[in-house]
Amino acid sequence: QQQVKQSPQSLIVQKGGISIINCAYENTAFDYFPWYQQFPGKGPALLIAIRPDVSEKKEGRFTISFNKSAKQFSLHIMDSQPGDSATYFCAATLAGTASKLTFGTGTRLQVTL
Amino acid sequence: GAVVSQHPSWVICKSGTSVKIECRSLDFQATTMFWYRQFPKQSLMLMATSNEGSKATYEQGVEKDKFLINHASLTLSTLTVTSAHPEDSSFYICSAVSSSGTHEQYFGPGTRLTVT
Repeated sequence: QQQVKQSPQSLIVQKGGISIINCAYENTAFDYFPWYQQFPGKGPALLIAIRPDVSEKKEGRFTISFNKSAKQFSLHIMDSQPGDSATYFCAATLAGTASKLTFGTGTRLQVTL
Repeated sequence: GAVVSQHPSWVICKSGTSVKIECRSLDFQATTMFWYRQFPKQSLMLMATSNEGSKATYEQGVEKDKFLINHASLTLSTLTVTSAHPEDSSFYICSAVSSSGTHEQYFGPGTRLTVT
């Protein structure tokens, strides 16, 4: 019940295209869903996060879509740029507490020119 | 704000020696810090939860006598890899949870450990 499944494992998108990464969770107690961006040799950095009381959250070119009934959420990167090339991790946890994150397996995104 | 530092950023040590990695929250207090391990092209694996002033809670399969964690203050947690072996070579990342506000986790830049 603690798993977060992430797909695809890798993704190649042309510059200007839309990158879409999907995650599914099992534990219905999760109520906070962050996405992290990690560059090689660096720690993860929070990109955007959502709570299940909204179906979509947008920050700049990054949008999270959330489907509570399906227990799925996705990250959309609009107008993808070469600088977005990184590994993206979805995660789930309990909001408002110092709870541990349950991470997805990661998606390596490559944005080509 | 919300900066977490790690020291050293990389370290090479000989098999059998011990290595200490520091994790500091620079501009906030963190009652809780987490230690992760990451192998190449893999996700982060939680090793332990470190709470200020109390013993760390280790995840299943993590040897607490090998990976010693100390969280002596609200801004510092240390991970000591004792009697290191080549299989301990990995990327170690800490995160710190702000004691106030949203309880967001902020990650450090990681420490690359190579055991020869």
